[in-house]
Amino acid sequence: SAVISQKPSRDICQRGTSLTIQCQVDSQVTMMFWYRQQPGQSLTLIATANQGSEATYESGFVIDKFPISRPNLTFSTLTVSNMSPEDSSIYLCSVLTGESQPQHFGDGTRLSIL
Amino acid sequence: GQNIDQPTEMTATEGAIVQINCTYQTSGFNGLFWYQQHAGEAPTFLSYNVLDGLEEKGRFSSFLSRSKGYSYLLLKELQMKDSASYLCAVLDSNYQLIWGAGTKLIIKP
Repeated sequence: SAVISQKPSRDICQRGTSLTIQCQVDSQVTMMFWYRQQPGQSLTLIATANQGSEATYESGFVIDKFPISRPNLTFSTLTVSNMSPEDSSIYLCSVLTGESQPQHFGDGTRLSIL
Repeated sequence: GQNIDQPTEMTATEGAIVQINCTYQTSGFNGLFWYQQHAGEAPTFLSYNVLDGLEEKGRFSSFLSRSKGYSYLLLKELQMKDSASYLCAVLDSNYQLIWGAGTKLIIKP
């Protein structure tokens, strides 16, 4: 399976600031996804990162708040903008190498907003 | 709507067997995945079922019945390190992954 490197692993940020999370894969992958997981909850899909075009956002998530880039088939970034305490969560990137293949996850970014 | 149900929490004894159930109602079906997630860590892939029946992988087995919209994950010879959350996820007709809320498994000595 693909090796996924996600940075930073954790951060503590001030309210109103923005943080960009990076996801690097060691091979070209078909699809990349960004999830949020709040404490004690399951995974919530934020968006699908599309290579060379705008990301596809799920209901409740918008580009102004969570801008995503995917400049090539091995790299993506998620920015959490104008952060508030409600954005405190674990953010995970995952990759898919084939249509009925399992998604594999990066180690996640644990984000706390003061 | 799409729905996946799993028990919230289960407790079992070290060395025993535990079965974690998952029922689903989704728009189409292209496979079911089980993931393990230790506290504070990312989910890791355990198993994939797309046809009815039992898939065995060491101490872990996963079963699927598509007609009943039902799967279970069976863990044998439980070890303390098996304490984790177990997530059931279904790939729908659009190849979108629908996630269950997860079952927290507590192993007692």
